[in-house]
Amino acid sequence: EVQLVESGGEPVQPGRSLRLSCSASGLKFRSYAMSWVRQTPGKGLEWLGFIRAQDYGETTEHAASLKGRFTISRDDSKSIAFLQMNSLTMEDSGLYYCTATHVGSTAAGRLAFEIWGRGTLVTVSS
Amino acid sequence: EIVMTQSPATLSVSPGDRVSLSCRASQTISINLAWYQQKPGQAPRLLIYGASTRATGVPARFSGSGSGTGFTLTISSLQSEDYALYYCQQYNDWPLTFGGGTKVDI
Repeated sequence: EVQLVESGGEPVQPGRSLRLSCSASGLKFRSYAMSWVRQTPGKGLEWLGFIRAQDYGETTEHAASLKGRFTISRDDSKSIAFLQMNSLTMEDSGLYYCTATHVGSTAAGRLAFEIWGRGTLVTVSS
Repeated sequence: EIVMTQSPATLSVSPGDRVSLSCRASQTISINLAWYQQKPGQAPRLLIYGASTRATGVPARFSGSGSGTGFTLTISSLQSEDYALYYCQQYNDWPLTFGGGTKVDI
């Protein structure tokens, strides 16, 4: 069974950092580009970052609105994607999803989110 | 940033109805558009990509159309399991952006 499982979400104070993890199983992880998407009551669904597969250089894209605070990365040896989040604010509270898109799709320019995890909850509060 | 606008925000329908949901892009995005379905307590699920291609396992009653700036998701005959939130998303340019969603309700 193909599965993405997010972890690392927890209550945190404003200004602190948090690292989320996304563990993949049932798929050939190195054949997928990975993204993080969050869902908040205020902004709905918001794309945060994208990392290409190893064969495409593992290059990244990030939402400019995050002003460099968030960084996506991956460890193909462990089939895990990460989201490092720094300088957290209350507006960063929400449900954080990990997603996967097959390289066949990304090569064709189809950057839809094909596989989703169940999400991990981040709460930023003093 | 490409702004995606969905309408209406809520659609009240009955089982068996034909349902059409609208999504508009603030600039042309060719057919680089996806639709997702989200049920309460679940993650979104990809329904349509390339504006009109159904993802694996998606029932044929779901269809997508449009190009450029205007897109439609149609459910030909609404089933009880189709009551959900529906989102569109453009992938023509960075940042990837979503619409605000349409809730299909009873």
